[in-house]
Amino acid sequence: GENVEQHPSTLSVQEGDSAVIKCTYSDSASNYFPWYKQELGKRPQLIIDIRSNVGEKKDQRIAVTLNKTAKHFSLHITETQPEDSAVYFCAASLDYKLSFGAGTTVTVRA
Amino acid sequence: EAQVTQNPRYLITVTGKKLTVTCSQNMNHEYMSWYRQDPGLGLRQIYYSMNVEVTDKGDVPEGYKVSRKEKRNFPLILESPSPNQTSLYFCASSLRARFGTPSYEQYFGPGTRLTVT
Repeated sequence: GENVEQHPSTLSVQEGDSAVIKCTYSDSASNYFPWYKQELGKRPQLIIDIRSNVGEKKDQRIAVTLNKTAKHFSLHITETQPEDSAVYFCAASLDYKLSFGAGTTVTVRA
Repeated sequence: EAQVTQNPRYLITVTGKKLTVTCSQNMNHEYMSWYRQDPGLGLRQIYYSMNVEVTDKGDVPEGYKVSRKEKRNFPLILESPSPNQTSLYFCASSLRARFGTPSYEQYFGPGTRLTVT
């Protein structure tokens, strides 16, 4: 099955700085890569996603890049704000199955 | 209000006592799935259903059963719970079944925290 590795496991950034989270996947057939944000005590929510036929996607302060050859994808958050503090999960999917990374706890320092 | 609901939200039980966690969605979604969340392991898919009467195993199906008799409901059954099934469980649904196609965004329920002693 698909194996998704996510780094780093924790990330502390100064407010206004950028945060980058990286993931790798094992199955070259995976074709969909979502990112979820989970605030403390809440359910995961989709924040951005990318399909395998696209190299980069941006939504305001959030961007995701995909390198299919290297089988890795990254989440970039610019101009971080306190409300960006949360756990972020990457995932990779083939058809009907979805495999998640272990998560990155992001803390934005004021 | 469009939503995914789970019951119960919290459950403490003993080893071997059969239990069912219910999941229901009111959005006429085709796809439903169960995940468990454990510290340091992220979310792991237990079972999923592409439509009524169509289910398949995820990455960690051992010890769990599911059924999809109606489109809106997807219960998770633990026939003989064990302490290693202590976890936070999420149900999720999406309009369409195949990821990467339009309307594939998954909506998660509020979670069920299960403790097996």
